[in-house]
Amino acid sequence: KAGVTQTPRYLIKTRGQQVTLSCSPISGHRSVSWYQQTPGQGLQFLFEYFSETQRNKGNFPGRFSGRQFSNSRSEMNVSTLELGDSALYLCASAGPNTGELFFGEGSRLTVL
Amino acid sequence: DQQVKQNSPSLSVQEGRISILNCDYTNSMFDYFLWYKKYPAEGPTFLISISSIKDKNEDGRFTVFLNKSAKHLSLHIVPSQPGDSAVYFCAASRLGDSSNTGKLIFGQGTTLQVKP
Repeated sequence: KAGVTQTPRYLIKTRGQQVTLSCSPISGHRSVSWYQQTPGQGLQFLFEYFSETQRNKGNFPGRFSGRQFSNSRSEMNVSTLELGDSALYLCASAGPNTGELFFGEGSRLTVL
Repeated sequence: DQQVKQNSPSLSVQEGRISILNCDYTNSMFDYFLWYKKYPAEGPTFLISISSIKDKNEDGRFTVFLNKSAKHLSLHIVPSQPGDSAVYFCAASRLGDSSNTGKLIFGQGTTLQVKP
């Protein structure tokens, strides 16, 4: 069973640009969540999508957005990038009736 | 407002000894707790979990203890091995609310180093 796949793994952007990250969940999983990891901050919840609808949202500005497609694949977008957006962005999928999340390897974003 | 806290950024233990990682939470609505392990350049991987109806869960060398009255949980690794060296995150959720399936609240992480 293939795991959670995230692309790209690494990317470098400059301030003011926008970026789109992609996530393919485990087959059969309908819930996809996104997390931001920065040093000293742990993993902070961005948002969760379930059946193409945003089900939960964390405390991030509107520059952070996402969507989910009918095949459960998800994308997240960050517009008007700031230096502080440099982080590892992790996607996770969950099956039904489970509290466990399965994470991808992450997309490492560097904003210069 | 940090609802889940890991107050020790790092821990160093000798191979073969016990590692104890601690985690505190503030939200009494949390009913499910998990530990994840993360190696550099990899995503977090699930280690062990515990429901709020239990006070202990064991899986091989790993045991998680939950003290609800103190809002505290701990992960014990016995015996510790060099391969256990990683960042450990505790996380909490409200599993009783099915709409929260994908939302975990994580602590800041504790870096464990197991010395040979």
